[in-house]
Amino acid sequence: NAGVTQTPKFRVLKTGQSMTLLCAQDMNHEYMYWYRQDPGMGLRLIHYSVGEGTTAKGEVPDGYNVSRLKKQNFLLGLESAAPSQTSVYFCASGGGGVGELFFGEGSRLTVL
Amino acid sequence: LAKTTQPISMDSYEGQEVNITCSHNNIATNDYITWYQQFPSQGPRFIIQGYKTKVTNEVASLFIPADRKSSTLSLPRVSLSDTAVYYCLVGDNENYGQNFVFGPGTRLSVLP
Repeated sequence: NAGVTQTPKFRVLKTGQSMTLLCAQDMNHEYMYWYRQDPGMGLRLIHYSVGEGTTAKGEVPDGYNVSRLKKQNFLLGLESAAPSQTSVYFCASGGGGVGELFFGEGSRLTVL
Repeated sequence: LAKTTQPISMDSYEGQEVNITCSHNNIATNDYITWYQQFPSQGPRFIIQGYKTKVTNEVASLFIPADRKSSTLSLPRVSLSDTAVYYCLVGDNENYGQNFVFGPGTRLSVLP
């Protein structure tokens, strides 16, 4: 049982490049989330989805886009990467009960 | 959106009981209190959740007074492996995880 899987786990980009982070969950959860975590900080919500085909903005959505074409997948895109987007990105899913989110292992992104 | 306040850091020794208190003065009637644990280079992991009084599981206990304006996470007989960041969150069932705010959390260091 894989839970929440994120790919890639590490990536280095140059300013202006684009990339997509993939999150996959096998728990049939309705809700999925993308967070970013900067050193010594808590997690900040970027975008989220309450079901297949839906997306919504979180606390820090600028510079990111998302898609939820399939229930099990939630994609996070950076169209033109900036150094300020250097961070660790976490995907989470939930739906089995109030407040219990299941997180992936994280994707460490460096933008030079 | 209920805001939480918790100590930035705490130190403890192996074998001691650790209590981390979280303040949430503006908690709403429908809000639950949830605690997460995060180890370095990993995503947060759900520990415990409660609404009122006391909740206990195999990992921790959660104490919530009658006014629900604070809560205390209790970790019995900590070990070195309990060194982590602990987050307190409040949120309601309707919005699920959308309005969960992961602040800086409490960094617990367990010393030998």
